[in-house]
Amino acid sequence: DVKVTQSSRYLVKRTGEKVFLECVQDMDHENMFWYRQDPGLGLRLIYFSYDVKMKEKGDIPEGYSVSREKKERFSLILESASTNQTSMYLCASSRGGWNQPQHFGDGTRLSIL
Amino acid sequence: AQSVTQLDSQVPVFEEAPVELRCNYSSSVSVYLFWYVQYPNQGLQLLLKYLSGSTLVKGINGFEAEFNKSQTSFHLRKPSVHISDTAEYFCAVNARNAGNMLTFGGGTRLMVKP
Repeated sequence: DVKVTQSSRYLVKRTGEKVFLECVQDMDHENMFWYRQDPGLGLRLIYFSYDVKMKEKGDIPEGYSVSREKKERFSLILESASTNQTSMYLCASSRGGWNQPQHFGDGTRLSIL
Repeated sequence: AQSVTQLDSQVPVFEEAPVELRCNYSSSVSVYLFWYVQYPNQGLQLLLKYLSGSTLVKGINGFEAEFNKSQTSFHLRKPSVHISDTAEYFCAVNARNAGNMLTFGGGTRLMVKP
C-alpha cells in the first residue's frame, strides 16, 4: 500500500525558531508537495518538487523554504517561525505526468507560540 | 488560473438520507477533477476522479460524481449516507496547463446524524 509519512503529528515551537517538517514517501514518486490547511480556506500549496533538488513555488511560499536532496524525502522549513504560521501542514506525493492523483500523509499540526 | 468553489461549508443530514455536495470550478482550459475525503485527524484520501470519458464517475464507499461541462460543476452524491461518512470533503481541479498542481475548494463538512 502507498505510504506518505510525516515525522510529527503535533509540534509546538516558539516565535523566531527555525522549524523543520519532514516527509517521506515509499512509492518512488517524482512529485512531492507541501500544503497548509486552514478552516474555510481548504488546502493551499506552499511548494512542490518534481525531481531531486528541483522546486517550484506554490500559492503561498512566503516565509517558507524546502529541500529535496533525495527522491523519497521532502522537507519544509520555516526560517523564522511566526504565529501566523500556526496551521495544519500536509505533505503529498504523486507520480510524474498529468492527472496523477496525489497521496497524502496524516498531517502535522504546528503551533507557534 | 483555475479556482474551485464549494458552495456549502457544512451539510447536516440524517443517516440513510441522500446527500449532494456541490462543487463548481472555473478554468480557461480543460480540467481533471477530483474529490478527496478527510476523516478526523487524518490526511486526505482520494474518493474519485474524472479524467475523460463518461461524465458519471463512481468512487469508493458508494459515492459518485457527475461532470457537467456546461455548468462547470462536479457535484458529489451518495444515495444513502452512514454515520461513518461524517468527514470533510474537498473538491480539487487540475488544469491541463498547470502541470500536476491541484487547486482545492474550501471544503464541505458532512455531518451525518442518527
